[in-house]
Amino acid sequence: DVKVTQSSRYLVKRTGEKVFLECVQDMDHENMFWYRQDPGLGLRLIYFSYDVKMKEKGDIPEGYSVSREKKERFSLILESASTNQTSMYLCASSLGDRVKAFFGQGTRLTVV
Amino acid sequence: GENVEQHPSTLSVQEGDSAVIKCTYSDSASNYFPWYKQELGKRPQLIIDIRSNVGEKKDQRIAVTLNKTAKHFSLHITETQPEDSAVYFCAASTNQAGTALIFGKGTTLSVSS
Repeated sequence: DVKVTQSSRYLVKRTGEKVFLECVQDMDHENMFWYRQDPGLGLRLIYFSYDVKMKEKGDIPEGYSVSREKKERFSLILESASTNQTSMYLCASSLGDRVKAFFGQGTRLTVV
Repeated sequence: GENVEQHPSTLSVQEGDSAVIKCTYSDSASNYFPWYKQELGKRPQLIIDIRSNVGEKKDQRIAVTLNKTAKHFSLHITETQPEDSAVYFCAASTNQAGTALIFGKGTTLSVSS
């Protein structure tokens, strides 16, 4: 069974803080993704990575960066958190050219 | 890039009725179309998917149809049950290495008994 694990279920951070959201998968998947989920807006792609040290911008990359130093780990970084980044963040992974994606449990981030 | 539109945003049905959710996509190169179900407080889970070389796929009470010419695909749930209540997301992708799923905005399905 594929396991995608996000390091925190809930986070509260202050405006201006640098925030790290961590995601680990245990199935040797090449592709990893970060989505943001907001009511009425669905799942919006922030960044994704198809190999170690490779990254691609999604639809809403502004204010975010990512890091993939190891195949199993994909980090989302908020360089300077703002209140409009309060949201549910979902990590996902998939195998090679098979886009069937498996999701983590989500991190609900509140920026105050 | 790909854009996926999903309708309706909310859908209420009586137990035993059928439910249909429709999606359209913009990129004619897309060839993989999954549907995810997200129950309250849980992660999205894949429930069914279809590839562009197939027009219809069924799995028990759920089915997906694809019209490539019109660039739309639909989820059909028959004999709905209260446990079908959830948010459903459609998505599209070109199914190539290094590509990502692009999702619709979701449909909140409520099944009342």
